[in-house]
Amino acid sequence: GENVEQHPSTLSVQEGDSAVIKCTYSDSASNYFPWYKQELGKGPQLIIDIRSNVGEKKDQRIAVTLNKTAKHFSLHITETQPEDSAVYFCAASRVTGGGNKLTFGTGTQLKVEL
Amino acid sequence: DAGVTQSPTHLIKTRGQQVTLRCSPISGHKSVSWYQQVLGQGPQFIFQYYEKEERGRGNFPDRFSARQFPNYSSELNVNALLLGDSALYLCASKLGVGNEQFFGPGTRLTVL
Repeated sequence: GENVEQHPSTLSVQEGDSAVIKCTYSDSASNYFPWYKQELGKGPQLIIDIRSNVGEKKDQRIAVTLNKTAKHFSLHITETQPEDSAVYFCAASRVTGGGNKLTFGTGTQLKVEL
Repeated sequence: DAGVTQSPTHLIKTRGQQVTLRCSPISGHKSVSWYQQVLGQGPQFIFQYYEKEERGRGNFPDRFSARQFPNYSSELNVNALLLGDSALYLCASKLGVGNEQFFGPGTRLTVL
């Protein structure tokens, strides 16, 4: 089955700096890669996703890149703000007619310091 | 629009008991998935239902079961609870079979 590894497990940046979180996946058939932000006591919130036919996607301060050959994808957050502090999870999925289960990474605790 | 709702918010049970968790998807969404999130880890897939049919099952024992109702809401049942079942149980809904999944706030289950 799919296995997703995520690094780093913790990341501390100064407000205004950029943050990068990296994930690798094992199943070459995976074709959908979402990123979730989880705040304390809440469920994961979808912040951005990318499909395998696209190499990069951007939404304001957030961007995701995908390298299918190397089987890795990354989340980039620019101009970080204190409210970006949370746990971030990457996930991979093979979307088929039968559904799509998400396989998650182990999470990155991002702390944005003033 | 209301997001995914789950009940109850918190639950405390003892070993050997049975528990039922409930989920209502976003209006118009026909697919519901269940995930277990142990403290400090990423969510683990348990079940996915689409149009009331099971479309996927994760690596969980038969003590775990689920169903989806005609109104697309869902229940997750866990029998013979173990201490290791203590976790946050998340429900996610999506519009169709292959679209984005949106999570609810979860049910925190503590097994004593």
